[in-house]
Amino acid sequence: DIVLTQTPLSSPVTLGQPASISCRSSQSLVHTNGNTYLSWLHQRPGQPPRLLIYEISNRFSGVPDRFSGSGAGTDFTLKINRVEAEDVGIYYCMQATQFPHTFGQGTKLEIK
Amino acid sequence: EVQLVQSGAEVKKPGESLKISCKGSGYSFADHWIGWVRQKPGKGLEWMGIIYPGDSDIRYNPSFKGQVTISADESISTAYLLWSSLKASDTALYYCARLHWEFLGLDSWGQGTLVTVSS
Repeated sequence: DIVLTQTPLSSPVTLGQPASISCRSSQSLVHTNGNTYLSWLHQRPGQPPRLLIYEISNRFSGVPDRFSGSGAGTDFTLKINRVEAEDVGIYYCMQATQFPHTFGQGTKLEIK
Repeated sequence: EVQLVQSGAEVKKPGESLKISCKGSGYSFADHWIGWVRQKPGKGLEWMGIIYPGDSDIRYNPSFKGQVTISADESISTAYLLWSSLKASDTALYYCARLHWEFLGLDSWGQGTLVTVSS
């Protein structure tokens, strides 16, 4: 199975400041069709997760442009360029390149 | 609007069976995978398995294979997660989610079904 390792596991951030989360894969996430199925999700307390980013860098419908994704192969990054209060919660990367699909362990974003 | 609506919370005893459901609406149910995700209290997301309702192709996480059964009834746009014999360790929140056929992201989630297994 592909293992996704996120760092940091916890990220205290000041409102208005940037935040960055890394997701490293145990093997390349490039599918045989050439696409890379790495996505990012956000889960607020008491709510289901919601999709933020798909295929490394594409923002899902309704996601603010302060969120961006980047990376290739085995190393990926989610960036929030100015953290807002509503951004608190847990962020997960997920790969759907290979079965079984897998999630990273999650990164908790909290406000300082 | 794409929606996934899950069945309500369940309280069961060890050894009992259980089937929870996930009904899709607002899209062609047959054309997108539906996955099941477990979240134990205070823990992260665990990918359990997934079904393509159009042809009932099912893929399990090896960690869950033999522990649960995934199925779907395309005629009523509903996916299911079944346990034949629950354990206390199955206590968790279970989500269904749609995997978009094109970009393979989990783009719509059910509200979750809390399953509590206790004697």
